[in-house]
Amino acid sequence: AQSVTQPDIHITVSEGASLELRCNYSYGATPYLFWYVQSPGQGLQLLLKYFSGDTLVQGIKGFEAEFKRSQSSFNLRKPSVHWSDAAEYFCAVGGYQKVTFGTGTKLQVIP
Amino acid sequence: GAVVSQHPSRVICKSGTSVKIECRSLDFQATTMFWYRQFPKQSLMLMATSNEGSKATYEQGVEKDKFLINHASLTLSTLTVTSAHPEDSSFYICSARGGGVGTDTQYFGPGTRLTVL
Repeated sequence: AQSVTQPDIHITVSEGASLELRCNYSYGATPYLFWYVQSPGQGLQLLLKYFSGDTLVQGIKGFEAEFKRSQSSFNLRKPSVHWSDAAEYFCAVGGYQKVTFGTGTKLQVIP
Repeated sequence: GAVVSQHPSRVICKSGTSVKIECRSLDFQATTMFWYRQFPKQSLMLMATSNEGSKATYEQGVEKDKFLINHASLTLSTLTVTSAHPEDSSFYICSARGGGVGTDTQYFGPGTRLTVL
C-alpha cells in the first residue's frame, strides 16, 4: 500500500529564512511524487511534481524538491521564504490512478 | 491551463435535504475525476474515482448510495450528498486528470464548503 508521512505538523520560519519541509513515502514501484499548497478555505495548487529524470525538480514560486530514492524522501525546499508562503503544504504519492496525500505541514512565517 | 472549477463554493442546507456539487474542467478534457473530503486540519481523503461514462469506484467505507457521483461528460462530474446530516459537513474537493501519456497530474478545484444544519 502506498503512504506518505509528513513528520512536521507545524513549522514556523522567519521571513527571508530558508525552508525545508520533509516528506517520506512508501510505494511499491517508481512513484509519482507531488507537492501541493493550500491556502485557508481554498483548493490545492500544484507546486511541483516528479515522475522521472532529474531528481531535483523546480516548481513554481521558487520552490524545489529533491527525490532521494535511497531515503524514500521528497523534501520541499525554498531558499528564502516570503510572508505569502504561509499556507498548508501537502506531499502526495501515487501512480496513474490513486494519489495518497500526507497529513500536511502548516507553515507560519513571522516578520 | 488545467483549470478546474467547483460550484457552489459554499452551501448551507437543512438536515435531510440533498445537495449537488459540480466539478468542471474548463480547458481540458478530464477522462478521470476524483472526489475528496477534507476534515478540519486534516488531509484529503479520497472518496471515489470516476471515469467518464462509467460508474464511480468508491473507496472503502464510503457509502455509494449517500454520495452519488455522475461523470456524464469529459468536462463535468457531480457529487450529490443525499439526505445530508450534520456529520456530512466538510470541505469537498474535486480533481480532474486528462487522459493519455504525460497527463498524470491531478488538478484541483477550489473546493466546496458544505454545512448541514
